[in-house]
Amino acid sequence: GAVVSQHPSRVICKSGTSVKIECRSLDFQATTMFWYRQFPKQSLMLMATSNEGSKATYEQGVEKDKFLINHASLTLSTLTVTSAHPEDSSFYICSATSLAVSKDTQYFGPGTRLTVL
Amino acid sequence: DAKTTQPPSMDCAEGRAANLPCNHSTISGNEYVYWYRQIHSQGPQYIIHGLKNNETNEMASLIITEDRKSSTLILPHATLRDTAVYYCIVDKAAGNKLTFGGGTRVLVKP
Repeated sequence: GAVVSQHPSRVICKSGTSVKIECRSLDFQATTMFWYRQFPKQSLMLMATSNEGSKATYEQGVEKDKFLINHASLTLSTLTVTSAHPEDSSFYICSATSLAVSKDTQYFGPGTRLTVL
Repeated sequence: DAKTTQPPSMDCAEGRAANLPCNHSTISGNEYVYWYRQIHSQGPQYIIHGLKNNETNEMASLIITEDRKSSTLILPHATLRDTAVYYCIVDKAAGNKLTFGGGTRVLVKP
């Protein structure tokens, strides 16, 4: 089946630094990638939608200058958390979809746990 | 997108069938019912989806009522590894952004 990976799986950083999280579709080309955030004991919240070669569409309340998303190829999207603060500590999950694989299924990565000290 | 309602939690016995209900009374004619699950500290995993007819795959069965206002996910023989949060989502296509509700926290007990 379609596999999505994320790197790193865990990251701890100091307040004020930037962190980059990679999301890759390993065996298919992703038409669209999504970025979600999940706080402890809460559900997933969509942050942004990303199509290859175009600017990401951010959900209301998500700061586009703080959460930079780049989708430079059909197999890679990156999320950069700029000037991270402790309140940005969360579980970040990406997903990918491809019309060539299945228009009815979204494939999720394993997630990246970010801890900002 | 139509909203879904699920019980917050349920327990089931290992080896028995687990029946997870979901209400989606405002579902529109072109919206599918999707089920995903999330095991602790992992990304969500696709389980099954359907439009009108009942569906079955190697993981589960999906029963959708005739009026499509509710559905039931059936795990035929629950194992301890099925312990997870199960999300019922209604959307026109999984390629769209998905709206996750609270889900049902399922605990499979030995």
